[in-house]
Amino acid sequence: GAGVSQSPSNKVTEKGKDVELRCDPISGHTALYWYRQRLGQGLEFLIYFQGNSAPDKSGLPSDRFSAERTGESVSTLTIQRTQQEDSAVYLCASSDLAGGYNEQFFGPGTRLTVL
Amino acid sequence: AQSVTQPDIHITVSEGASLELRCNYSYGATPYLFWYVQSPGQGLQLLLKYFSGDTLVQGIKGFEAEFKRSQSSFNLRKPSVHWSDAAEYFCAVGLFSGTYKYIFGTGTRLKVLA
Repeated sequence: GAGVSQSPSNKVTEKGKDVELRCDPISGHTALYWYRQRLGQGLEFLIYFQGNSAPDKSGLPSDRFSAERTGESVSTLTIQRTQQEDSAVYLCASSDLAGGYNEQFFGPGTRLTVL
Repeated sequence: AQSVTQPDIHITVSEGASLELRCNYSYGATPYLFWYVQSPGQGLQLLLKYFSGDTLVQGIKGFEAEFKRSQSSFNLRKPSVHWSDAAEYFCAVGLFSGTYKYIFGTGTRLKVLA
């Protein structure tokens, strides 16, 4: 596709359930980022994938959060035993090269609501 | 610790007026600097970026930003605001700390009055 896509666009779940969020980066982009955006707040870095290197998981807030990426394609962010404080918009971004100067292309986000 | 501060949570300007959005960063060296815009219902879009060279950077949609090393600032400006500029604006720094990371400010929401 032309841009980064994310699914679902909206997810409502009950506290304690597991959820899986999907990100399809731009084809050929080696770097992929996940962020969390709580209402009225900035983007909070969660995890970074670069090619086949070990991901940088330093932003994951707890062990309930995990993410996978197969090669340079789709990534999934999984939240286990969801809590109400997990409610947020989860954004995925990709870029074509590693490095702090490269533009990130963002998807439209998945809005997660935990009841 | 590295941080990005956008001191203005909300700004309201009249259409046609000038605009300046403030951004300050805390980092030991000059980071990569970015401004992104998030329009309602849309993803974040890059407006402009800076790392070196001319400290006045031109971006898309008529925006510019000026890097001031002495003030650790990277303020975004536009001479004449259009109603379509109403959005949320995020300043970000890109840095290397083991891996490449981006730190975003909390955003400034711009409202434009007709």
